Amino acid sequence: DQQVKQNSPSLSVQEGRISILNCDYTNSMFDYFLWYKKYPAEGPTFLISISSIKDKNEDGRFTVFLNKSAKHLSLHIVPSQPGDSAVYFCAASSNFGNEKLTFGTGTRLTIIP
Amino acid sequence: GAGVSQSPRYKVAKRGQDVALRCDPISGHVSLFWYQQALGQGPEFLTYFQNEAQLDKSGLPSDRFFAERPEGSVSTLKIQRTQQEDSAVYLCASSLSGGGYEQFFGPGTRLTVL
Repeated sequence: DQQVKQNSPSLSVQEGRISILNCDYTNSMFDYFLWYKKYPAEGPTFLISISSIKDKNEDGRFTVFLNKSAKHLSLHIVPSQPGDSAVYFCAASSNFGNEKLTFGTGTRLTIIP
Repeated sequence: GAGVSQSPRYKVAKRGQDVALRCDPISGHVSLFWYQQALGQGPEFLTYFQNEAQLDKSGLPSDRFFAERPEGSVSTLKIQRTQQEDSAVYLCASSLSGGGYEQFFGPGTRLTVL
């Protein structure tokens, strides 16, 4: 069973606009959530995280929102830049990140110049 | 500073061969994780070490898979009698312990079993 779901395999956004990537989870024990970005032939690179005690975390152009009641989180990138084109993975963990990560299947983001 | 390194980056094995994949974590990182990523999928957990102790190996797909971290730093993932379904990218990640710390990933080893 897929405990972390990213239902959009791909997304195209005009440069300068906002990119919104979505993620849903089913396991109520998850209390720490992360977004990773991945370029071809490289390992995932950490972007931003949020623990379940918060509903928003912001870092520069990246903001993650967590809706615990809906078991939903989203990553907002604004403004989108061509270098943001990559595959984005949502991941979740229990014990506030002190355990294994469960990943979604990824969303390929393409920024159109 | 140096990140997580993995070797080899690419490995081609004939079905039935044994392979060994190496991971050098970031210095001082207590926790080390191995993941397997099939084409078009997200990484899937294989096993987890805290220092030299293997605390969770629930993701290892069969008894052909074995991992060790004897001195609490470098780790090796060994696959015996490789099968075609073992073809994947094997990712290693390390982190500080205690919760609330992100995992830093290496570039992965792409294993192709012919």
